[in-house]
Amino acid sequence: NAGVTQTPKFQVLKTGQSMTLQCAQDMNHEYMSWYRQDPGMGLRLIHYSVGAGITDQGEVPNGYNVSRSTTEDFPLRLLSAAPSQTSVYFCASSYSLEITEAFFGQGTRLTVV
Amino acid sequence: AQSVSQHNHHVILSEAASLELGCNYSYGGTVNLFWYVQYPGQHLQLLLKYFSGDPLVKGIKGFEAEFIKSKFSFNLRKPSVQWSDTAEYFCAVNSGGGADGLTFGKGTHLIIQP
Repeated sequence: NAGVTQTPKFQVLKTGQSMTLQCAQDMNHEYMSWYRQDPGMGLRLIHYSVGAGITDQGEVPNGYNVSRSTTEDFPLRLLSAAPSQTSVYFCASSYSLEITEAFFGQGTRLTVV
Repeated sequence: AQSVSQHNHHVILSEAASLELGCNYSYGGTVNLFWYVQYPGQHLQLLLKYFSGDPLVKGIKGFEAEFIKSKFSFNLRKPSVQWSDTAEYFCAVNSGGGADGLTFGKGTHLIIQP
């Protein structure tokens, strides 16, 4: 049972480039989400999904897109990378909307130069 | 929208000292409460959680937390810290059934000196 798998672990992008952060879970969880972690800011919710085909915006959605074509996968796309998107990104999943436990991936450290 | 406040951003303690990290939240309805720990370079790991029942919850590694509904608080405690407890600690809240996931506090960076 792998849990939540994120790839890549590290990435450097140039301003204006696009990329996709991958997230997959094998626990058949309905709820998946993406957070960014910045020093002194804690974790902030970017986008979330309550099931296949259903996504919605979190606290800081600008500059990011998501889709949920399957229960297992929830990729995060950076459309045109900016230095302000330099951060550590975490994907998380939980069984349902009422979160009694969230499982986190290992994180992706992204640097935009 | 709910918010979470952690009172101490940086805490330095000596080994064997007692620890209490404060956490207050703003949501007035039913909540699920969590403490997560992040060791350097690692992902978040669940320390403990509360969603009903006994307001004093025990977690891993000797940590415990007390939910005080009247004070909107969920403080984390450990009677005697170890050097290996050096990490970042996050309090988080989920409004039960709310789709907006977990709302995190800004974190407390705990350093334990040998």
